Formats: sequence, C-alpha cells, structure tokens
Amino acid sequence: DAGVIQSPRHEVTEMGQEVTLRCKLISGHNSLFWYRQTMMRGLELLIYFNNNVPIDDSGMPEDRFSAKMPNASFSTLKIQPSEPRDSAVYFCASSLGQAYQPQHFGDGTRLSIL
Amino acid sequence: AQTVTQSQPEMSVQEAETVTLSCTYDTSENNYYLFWYKQPPSRQMILVIRQEAYKQQNATENRFSVNFQKAAKSFSLKISDSQLGDTAMYFCAFMKHGDGNEKLTFGTGTRLTIIP
Repeated sequence: DAGVIQSPRHEVTEMGQEVTLRCKLISGHNSLFWYRQTMMRGLELLIYFNNNVPIDDSGMPEDRFSAKMPNASFSTLKIQPSEPRDSAVYFCASSLGQAYQPQHFGDGTRLSIL
Repeated sequence: AQTVTQSQPEMSVQEAETVTLSCTYDTSENNYYLFWYKQPPSRQMILVIRQEAYKQQNATENRFSVNFQKAAKSFSLKISDSQLGDTAMYFCAFMKHGDGNEKLTFGTGTRLTIIP
C-alpha cells in the first residue's frame, strides 16, 4: 500500500512568493496532520483535521499560513507571502482517527525561502 | 499543557551494544499514550513503539523495549543488540487520551549513532 505522499520533496523560492505544499493521505485514514520541523523549535504541529474538519489549528503561526482539505484524501498547506523564517521541513501525517492509532508520516517537503 | 524532555541531544554506541534513550514528560493527565518515533537520514518519521499509560507492563517490539515509570513520568527506550540501521534521530512523544484530540507533543530528539 502507498504511504502518505507529499509533494514537492524540495522547494526553493524567493521571499514574497506563494508556496503550496501537497499531501495525499493513506486510503482509509481520516485524520490529517501538518507538522513543521526546524533545528530551533523541533517538530511542531501546525494543524490537524479529522473527517475534513479542522480540529486543532493552534499551531498555525499566523495568517500567512492556511490549510485545506478539499476532499477526504488530499490536503494543501499554503504560505502567502512566504518569508525566510518559514524555511523548514514540512511533514504531513495521517491516521485512522482514533486515539492510540499511530500517525504515518510522509517523506516531508524541504522548503527554502531565499 | 504537556511538555516532553529528552535530555540527551546525542549518543553513540558500538554495534551490538545496548543503549538506553531517556525521556521525561510533564502532565496533569492520568490517561495518555507515549510513543517513540525514529527519523533516519532519509527523513521519514517511523513509529518504533507505543505505550498506554494505564498498562503497567512495558511495551516490547523485538529489539526495542521501554521502561515506563508512571509515577516518575519517565519513558525510556532501550535498544538491544544495536545495528547500523538504528542510526537515526529518536523522538519521544505524548498524546492525551479521551478528548478526541490526537495532538502529539514531541521532545527535541536524541541523535543516535551506531559505530561499526
């Protein structure tokens, strides 16, 4: 079975540009998580959805960040406008949506804002 | 709010030795779950082992086992007969139980290197 699929794997862009990160959940999973990993702050949960509904967005840094689930198997994380401090590895994970179920992570997108 | 502390930023051991990674957490909750995730150089996060707080028996997965001390809020990971493929960052994580929120709180990680 295919795991969580993220695209692109790497993204380099100039500050001020719009960035869109994409994630495809594992089939049958109904919880979706977006994480950001940096050296300074480690792994932080940005937002998570259950059955397409945002449950906890307390980690979204500011209005420049937005996340959507246009359908049950796909999500986007958008940054507009991007800033150099947004440079990080962004992970998407999915789970079966029940407590104790493991979260399955994608390979991450390494984002560099110049 | 919950916090997870991993006090060992880096560790290294010889291949085939046993190594223990420490993790402590702070919570006022009584029911929760604890996890260890591994992040090899390939970057993908992989679940290693998990523990339910209400279970006294320590979880075991092949060469990986935990020492869960609820009163001390400690959750260490023991890797026996270490292998080169165990080289990775290891993250301890906490999840509260019962309110439907699946939020994971991660520690800062321990970089483990297995020396040939």
